[in-house]
Amino acid sequence: EAQVTQNPRYLITVTGKKLTVTCSQNMNHEYMSWYRQDPGLGLRQIYYSMNVEVTDKGDVPEGYKVSRKEKRNFPLILESPSPNQTSLYFCASRLASSGGNEQFFGPGTRLTVL
Amino acid sequence: AQSVTQLGSHVSVSEGALVLLRCNYSSSVPPYLFWYVQYPNQGLQLLLKYTSAATLVKGINGFEAEFKKSETSFHLTKPSAHMSDAAEYFCAVSGPRGAQKLVFGQGTRLTINP
Repeated sequence: EAQVTQNPRYLITVTGKKLTVTCSQNMNHEYMSWYRQDPGLGLRQIYYSMNVEVTDKGDVPEGYKVSRKEKRNFPLILESPSPNQTSLYFCASRLASSGGNEQFFGPGTRLTVL
Repeated sequence: AQSVTQLGSHVSVSEGALVLLRCNYSSSVPPYLFWYVQYPNQGLQLLLKYTSAATLVKGINGFEAEFKKSETSFHLTKPSAHMSDAAEYFCAVSGPRGAQKLVFGQGTRLTINP
């Protein structure tokens, strides 16, 4: 089954404790992206990657890191999480040449930083 | 730059009534437009998309949307609401083929009254 998977689905942590949220897709998509969803703000892009070893900032990159060492994986790293990073996070992927730029989304990771 | 405005953060309709969710966009280039649906505790699922072909776009679950360039609108409609339509709906815009991101609206939560 074609899908985007994220782990963990739920995470409660404390301020300053480094964490990684994994994202993997099995559709051989070149493009991957991370979004955060907050009430009243919709989804905002954190980082994106056009292909392996190619990443760039989105609209809200502060406090986050990413890496793209393999085509299928795109982990999101919070080196020192803070309470304002409490949010619902989505990973997405699509073909780079997709004419409609349709993105396929993972199930989401709900992060709480205390 | 691109932006999306969804009019009404909450919409409530009776079962069997018309559903109308409003979306206006701003884009300096010919846009691609999308409607996504998010059911509780799930990721985003594509309902329909406009990619410069027919201006009236039909999607899944009986939804459709009409692209009106003169009004910069892409409103989502369904003739008869069903209880299973209760969800949050997001309108999104992107640039042409290969654009780096989707820009989302704030979301509209649709409630269906029996």
